[in-house]
Amino acid sequence: AQKVTQAQTEISVVEKEDVTLDCVYETRDTTYYLFWYKQPPSGELVFLIRRNSFDEQNEISGRYSWNFQKSTSSFNFTITASQVVDSAVYFCALTGGAQKLVFGQGTRLTINP
Amino acid sequence: DAEITQSPRHKITETGRQVTLACHQTWNHNNMFWYRQDLGHGLRLIHYSYGVQDTNKGEVSDGYSVSRSNTEDLPLTLESAASSQTSVYFCASSESIGYRHEQYFGPGTRLTVT
Repeated sequence: AQKVTQAQTEISVVEKEDVTLDCVYETRDTTYYLFWYKQPPSGELVFLIRRNSFDEQNEISGRYSWNFQKSTSSFNFTITASQVVDSAVYFCALTGGAQKLVFGQGTRLTINP
Repeated sequence: DAEITQSPRHKITETGRQVTLACHQTWNHNNMFWYRQDLGHGLRLIHYSYGVQDTNKGEVSDGYSVSRSNTEDLPLTLESAASSQTSVYFCASSESIGYRHEQYFGPGTRLTVT
């Protein structure tokens, strides 16, 4: 069975600090995809990134970066120089051959001014 | 622009009533999904469909049903609403080619069963 664990339930930092959200996954599929979604206070789910199991290159998009390590089954998300607008619940998710997303429980990130 | 919509956005119903939540997408995606979001559980899959006339049970399907008569719509029916079904419901869709495609989510429906 597939499983995604986000051990950090809530994180609170001061604006401009860097913050890393952890994601650990379990799967028996050899080919799979990992995702991060953002859920701001307004409630919608916003797609941030997709990473496939064959591509372990880190990715950077502006202040956001993602570190995928198959050896530790982790797909961590770092926000550099955090801003108040980054406050949201962040979900890590996994999909395998059946195209169904399995979500972690989410990490509530609060950026304080 | 393509989008995925849900209606109603908020619904209050009584225990035992049948409720149908609508989901409509204009992405022309073959895959559609229903999730529920509850505190402490993240999002859990209720039902999903890979195309017209195809439906499948997800992790928490008891008490729910779906039907897929066209590409655009996947309505979710609660046969006899229970208080345990009070939740926020999200519909999503994705392309069917491979499984690398991200799912696009609707705005959600907040359902309260009293």
